[in-house]
Amino acid sequence: NAGVTQTPKFRVLKTGQSMTLLCAQDMNHEYMYWYRQDPGMGLRLIHYSVGEGTTAKGEVPDGYNVSRLKKQNFLLGLESAAPSQTSVYFCASSSHRDWGNEQFFGPGTRLTVL
Amino acid sequence: AQKVTQAQTEISVVEKEDVTLDCVYETRDTTYYLFWYKQPPSGELVFLIRRNSFDEQNEISGRYSWNFQKSTSSFNFTITASQVVDSAVYFCALVDTGRRALTFGSGTRLQVQP
Repeated sequence: NAGVTQTPKFRVLKTGQSMTLLCAQDMNHEYMYWYRQDPGMGLRLIHYSVGEGTTAKGEVPDGYNVSRLKKQNFLLGLESAAPSQTSVYFCASSSHRDWGNEQFFGPGTRLTVL
Repeated sequence: AQKVTQAQTEISVVEKEDVTLDCVYETRDTTYYLFWYKQPPSGELVFLIRRNSFDEQNEISGRYSWNFQKSTSSFNFTITASQVVDSAVYFCALVDTGRRALTFGSGTRLQVQP
């Protein structure tokens, strides 16, 4: 099992450009999440999904959109990138069977917006 | 709203010293789960432990131990006889019963000097 994978690993964008980050999991998990990690702030929830076809906002959703067309994939989109979106992005997934289950994290995507 | 506080931003110790990382949390839920994750210099997030609010027994795993005290809303992590490989950022987190997403503390960077 690959677990949770993220594509790409690194990306540099210019202000105003758009891009999509792809998260894939092969554990048949219902729940998927996107977090961002900034220095000294820990991880903060951007958006999450409780199942295929559903998405919801987290703490810091502005400037991002998401889609969950397939259960195994969770896409994070930046329509018009801004320097404030320079961050490391982590995707995670967890099983619905026990709400206290461990979340499994991907390796992260380091995004720089110039 | 939930909150996790890790007041120690950075700790530096010499190898073989014991070190305790503090975590204080706030939640209105009567049932909740707490986690510790490790983030080594390579950047991935490594799950260390999960504890539910009904289980206040301390846990020991090798050189790692955790002290959970509901009375003080704390879930502290101790590394005994620290090693250079323990150098990392350690995050304490609390799971949200509704979204099942994690609320992270800001992390404690531990540096173990040889």
